Amino acid sequence: EDQVTQSPEALRLQEGESSSLNCSYTVSGLRGLFWYRQDPGKGPEFLFTLYSAGEEKEKERLKATLTKKESFLHITAPKPEDSATYLCAVQPTPIQGAQKLVFGQGTRLTINP
Amino acid sequence: DGGITQSPKYLFRKEGQNVTLSCEQNLNHDAMYWYRQDPGQGLRLIYYSQIVNDFQKGDIAEGYSVSREKKESFPLTVTSAQKNPTAFYLCASSPRDRGSRNQPQHFGDGTRLSIL
Repeated sequence: EDQVTQSPEALRLQEGESSSLNCSYTVSGLRGLFWYRQDPGKGPEFLFTLYSAGEEKEKERLKATLTKKESFLHITAPKPEDSATYLCAVQPTPIQGAQKLVFGQGTRLTINP
Repeated sequence: DGGITQSPKYLFRKEGQNVTLSCEQNLNHDAMYWYRQDPGQGLRLIYYSQIVNDFQKGDIAEGYSVSREKKESFPLTVTSAQKNPTAFYLCASSPRDRGSRNQPQHFGDGTRLSIL
């Protein structure tokens, strides 16, 4: 069964304190791994797509990396506005051509000023 | 601006009542999806549609129904058969799966459904 586990469930940091969020996955063939940011009461906002082990993507203070079993979202010198829930999703090899994503439960990140 | 519009933002359902959640997109995407989000859980797929007049059940389709009469619209009906409908419902869209390096799904801002 395809499965995605994110850790930790919640993380509280001081402004400027760098850290990493983890997304571990077991899937029957990986077509892509997606990172989203979700603010309270809003829909997920797309951040990155990673397709193969060794790939890295960066955007402002965020950097996503991918291995064969997990992905990390590194946050460098975070600011309070980076506070959100970060979701990881994987796309297994499709059945019937559908883009069916499997989501983790998310990591709730809080950055204190 | 291109995007996905969900309405209403908040919805209340009485016992035995069916309610319909609206989802409209102007991104010209072929595929559309409905997810349910509960506290502490990942998004779970209810239904998806890859093309007009076609849709498939996701992982938790029982108690829900959909239609796809237009490319832009994918309404979700929560029927009285869904005994635990209280949740945050998210609609998403994407270009159709093309085999590799697919474009991500884009989401609306959700509808929060509660029981009266």
